[in-house]
Amino acid sequence: DAGITQSPRHKVTETGTPVTLRCHQTENHRYMYWYRQDPGHGLRLIHYSYGVKDTDKGEVSDGYSVSRSKTEDFLLTLESATSSQTSVYFCAISSSGSTDTQYFGPGTRLTVL
Amino acid sequence: GESVGLHLPTLSVQEGDNSIINCAYSNSASDYFIWYKQESGKGPQFIIDIRSNMDKRQGQRVTVLLNKTVKHLSLQIAATQPGDSAVYFCAENQAGTALIFGKGTTLSVSS
Repeated sequence: DAGITQSPRHKVTETGTPVTLRCHQTENHRYMYWYRQDPGHGLRLIHYSYGVKDTDKGEVSDGYSVSRSKTEDFLLTLESATSSQTSVYFCAISSSGSTDTQYFGPGTRLTVL
Repeated sequence: GESVGLHLPTLSVQEGDNSIINCAYSNSASDYFIWYKQESGKGPQFIIDIRSNMDKRQGQRVTVLLNKTVKHLSLQIAATQPGDSAVYFCAENQAGTALIFGKGTTLSVSS
């Protein structure tokens, strides 16, 4: 998985609780991404980062926030989880943005009850 | 909006056959395309990519063809093996934004 880890790998939580997912890379790539994958929708971009403290919204950013305080870590936070955020979340990295290959982590399966 | 799509959601082949997975895109400004393989319970895995200044690129047992005239991308897998069973996604770069992914084709290989 190209030096990308995600934690936790599985999480079950209750509606209204805050949740933070972590993505860690050892490749020193500049760009990092968070996607969610749902049946019938494929992979959809939530947020991405183009450098430390530099982030931007993706297609489905409502209800999510991100932070990147150092190159290797990109955090995704659900401030108040809802059942519609039950999904599999993937982190990806690339060295040169959208014109370069993105490499994916193993994913986090999140269930919001 | 414009998006990447795949012609068939499923494809079933016999071991040893050649497989062809198709993808149509609608944004003529896209200049970079990637094929990914995703096995159950895992993250997407890079297979091969191609840029718009090329029409063919070969890897190990895989070939990607790009037809910009009809906005069509295909992935050819030679001598398909049971280990090739997975979901295959194409993705396109739309200049200035992130990659846009298709919904995937499930390849089933029977021995």
